[in-house]
Amino acid sequence: GAVVSQHPSRVICKSGTSVKIECRSLDFQATTMFWYRQFPKKSLMLMATSNEGSKATYEQGVEKDKFLINHASLTLSTLTVTSAHPEDSSFYICSARLPSGRTETQYFGPGTRLLVL
Amino acid sequence: QKEVEQNSGPLSVPEGAIASLNCTYSDRGSQSFFWYRQYSGKSPELIMSIYSNGDKEDGRFTAQLNKASQYVSLLIRDSQPSDSATYLCAVLSGYSTLTFGKGTMLLVSP
Repeated sequence: GAVVSQHPSRVICKSGTSVKIECRSLDFQATTMFWYRQFPKKSLMLMATSNEGSKATYEQGVEKDKFLINHASLTLSTLTVTSAHPEDSSFYICSARLPSGRTETQYFGPGTRLLVL
Repeated sequence: QKEVEQNSGPLSVPEGAIASLNCTYSDRGSQSFFWYRQYSGKSPELIMSIYSNGDKEDGRFTAQLNKASQYVSLLIRDSQPSDSATYLCAVLSGYSTLTFGKGTMLLVSP
């Protein structure tokens, strides 16, 4: 399968700081990437869809000014959690879409665990 | 609203048995169906995809799709303790957004 990486894998920061998470498709170009958040023992929640060269599409209830998404190249999308607070502590996972014929598959990165103190 | 339903479990099976995981979906126009496995603390890993009615086998895994009944299942033969994880059913509609079920936790006891 296709490989998607995320960096960092784990980050601890102080309340009020900003944290940037990178998502890279390593062996394919991804015009579309997705950002998810998952709280312990809860299901995946789609936060936003990141499209290369255009603005991200955010899901209802997700603050676009707090979760800044940039998809400047076909292999890189970044999520910046601005002015992080303890309630933002979560497991953030990206995925990249790989078209295949008339369908497509999403491959997930390994995730970034964020802890805000 | 598109919905994907799964029994949350846990589904407990003994080692060597067949585990059967089920999923129903609401959008009749859905085209592609996926099973992901998620170990505790890890991100989801794609294990099977299926696009046509019928069965698709890959090693110990068999995905089954019935579009008329809007039902997709995953069978795991010869279950191993290492198969213990949460299995996520995901459905792709024409809008290129995957809708995930909440997952079924599988526990395989030695």
